[in-house]
Amino acid sequence: EAGVTQSPTHLIKTRGQQATLRCSPISGHTSVYWYQQALGLGLQFLLWYDEGEERNRGNFPPRFSGRQFPNYSSELNVNALELEDSALYLCASSFNQGGFGQPQHFGDGTRLSIL
Amino acid sequence: SQQGEEDPQALSIQEGENATMNCSYKTSINNLQWYRQNSGRGLVHLILIRSNEREKHSGRLRVTLDTSKKSSSLLITASRAADTASYFCATDASGGAQKLVFGQGTRLTINP
Repeated sequence: EAGVTQSPTHLIKTRGQQATLRCSPISGHTSVYWYQQALGLGLQFLLWYDEGEERNRGNFPPRFSGRQFPNYSSELNVNALELEDSALYLCASSFNQGGFGQPQHFGDGTRLSIL
Repeated sequence: SQQGEEDPQALSIQEGENATMNCSYKTSINNLQWYRQNSGRGLVHLILIRSNEREKHSGRLRVTLDTSKKSSSLLITASRAADTASYFCATDASGGAQKLVFGQGTRLTINP
């Protein structure tokens, strides 16, 4: 069974540009989560999608957005990139069983570097 | 601020010794999870313990949960070099938001 896959592995952008990160969940998982792991700040929850809908959002500005497609894959878009957006962006997937807590399965992330 | 806080921030032990990491959190939870992250990689789920459970085992891992103290511990017995990684606790707050809140992690180094 394939795990969570993320692309690209690395992405280099300059300030003001836009970045698109992609994630394919484990087959059968309907929930996709996005996290930001910046140096010294730990993992910060960004977004949760399930069945194509945004279910929860972390404390990030609106220039962080995303969507989930009918095949449950997901995109994270970051507009007007700033230097502090440099981080490892991790995607995770899980079954959604009504909030009773499911292990989340992570991809290896996209390293976004802003020059 | 982060829900979970791990202690210690870094731990270095000899291969074969036991490693204990602690996690404290602030609000009521549905469950608590432990994850491992090898350098530059994604997180790997280790164990999930629900709020009505006190102890759980998985191979060389033992997790305890004390909801009265809002704390959890992860014990790795008979450590191996391959256990070198960062370990994170994550809490799923009451209310079913399915939003995991991670601590800052404990960096564990196993010396051969």
